[in-house]
Amino acid sequence: AQSVSQHNHHVILSEAASLELGCNYSYGGTVNLFWYVQYPGQHLQLLLKYFSGDPLVKGIKGFEAEFIKSKFSFNLRKPSVQWSDTAEYFCAVNARDSGTYKYIFGTGTRLKVLA
Amino acid sequence: GAGVSQSPSNKVTEKGKDVELRCDPISGHTALYWYRQSLGQGLEFLIYFQGNSAPDKSGLPSDRFSAERTGGSVSTLTIQRTQQEDSAVYLCASSSRLAGAETQYFGPGTRLLVL
Repeated sequence: AQSVSQHNHHVILSEAASLELGCNYSYGGTVNLFWYVQYPGQHLQLLLKYFSGDPLVKGIKGFEAEFIKSKFSFNLRKPSVQWSDTAEYFCAVNARDSGTYKYIFGTGTRLKVLA
Repeated sequence: GAGVSQSPSNKVTEKGKDVELRCDPISGHTALYWYRQSLGQGLEFLIYFQGNSAPDKSGLPSDRFSAERTGGSVSTLTIQRTQQEDSAVYLCASSSRLAGAETQYFGPGTRLLVL
């Protein structure tokens, strides 16, 4: 079955530390990949997405993610985190299967950035 | 409207009762999605609509769950004979069209508690 794995459930970092959140998916076909973020008290919103072209995708607030097809991975990175990055981050995969779309989200990673 | 809205924001019900959750997508968005977010479980995809049609209902957890969309706009998710395991946050999202790389815009969710 298709799945998305986020390896870290809770991450605590100090400001200015570098961040990498892992995401692996299992699906052999063409996929679209997303990272969504939910800041405290706010709605889920898109951070960045990949659907074709350059596998290194840049998103809002200095985040980026790299699609490595051979590793079925789409890890999220930020060189220097800020306190305001404290949030829950979800990796998601969209794949077309038998004429319909499947949307699969990971279990999320809660990031806490210490000021 | 400016964003996706959902009502009610909170719902407490007794086991065995039926509940109806409502979603108002962004005006003009043809695709609409329902998810369930349980503690520690990530987002579970339930169903999507393209216009008023739901091509794939296999994500609905049981036959107690049903959803409809009328006029290509408002959608309702109905849970019959609620069970305690139905307690979760139910999220709705919409996108301008149904395509793999489209960004989904999420509503604030309905927090359902079944006693």
